[in-house]
Amino acid sequence: AQKVTQAQTEISVVEKEDVTLDCVYETRDTTYYLFWYKQPPSGELVFLIRRNSFDEQNEISGRYSWNFQKSTSSFNFTITASQVVDSAVYFCALSEAYYNQGGKLIFGQGTELSVKP
Amino acid sequence: DTGVSQNPRHKITKRGQNVTFRCDPISEHNRLYWYRQTLGQGPEFLTYFQNEAQLEKSRLLSDRFSAERPKGSFSTLEIQRTEQGDSAMYLCASSLGRLAGIKRAETQYFGPGTRLLVL
Repeated sequence: AQKVTQAQTEISVVEKEDVTLDCVYETRDTTYYLFWYKQPPSGELVFLIRRNSFDEQNEISGRYSWNFQKSTSSFNFTITASQVVDSAVYFCALSEAYYNQGGKLIFGQGTELSVKP
Repeated sequence: DTGVSQNPRHKITKRGQNVTFRCDPISEHNRLYWYRQTLGQGPEFLTYFQNEAQLEKSRLLSDRFSAERPKGSFSTLEIQRTEQGDSAMYLCASSLGRLAGIKRAETQYFGPGTRLLVL
């Protein structure tokens, strides 16, 4: 069975601090994809990143960076120099990969990040 | 704006009533998904369409729930005889599936959701 665990329910930081959101996943598949989504108070899930199981390169996008480690089944997300606008719930998700058909996302419970000025 | 749209954004109903939600995916997206999210939890998969065919349904989708995508474009999710436990955010997502010789999973883009409250 597939499972995603985000052990941190809530994190509170002060603006400009760096913060890392943890994500641990379980799957028996050798080909799978991992995602991060942001859900601001408005409720809409905003896509941040997609990573497949064969690409373990870390990725950086502005203040955001992702660390994918298959050895520990983790896909952690770091925000550098956090800002108040980063306050949101962040979800890590896992999907199997298929030939020519879609697949459901398995979400973690989310981490609520609060960035205080 | 060509993102995923959902209507209505909010719905309050009394227990026992039927409700219907609509989702308009990103144009040209052939795959459409429905999820349900309760307070403090991550979204949970309900069902998925590839064009007009409903290819997968979760065990969460009881007999009171039905989804359609009649022309492979917009989709509706109907809940009959609503119960208080149906209160949740109902999210729709779409993706573009391409024929490929490799296993893959496309990015799903979500709409703003429909928040349902059953009194």
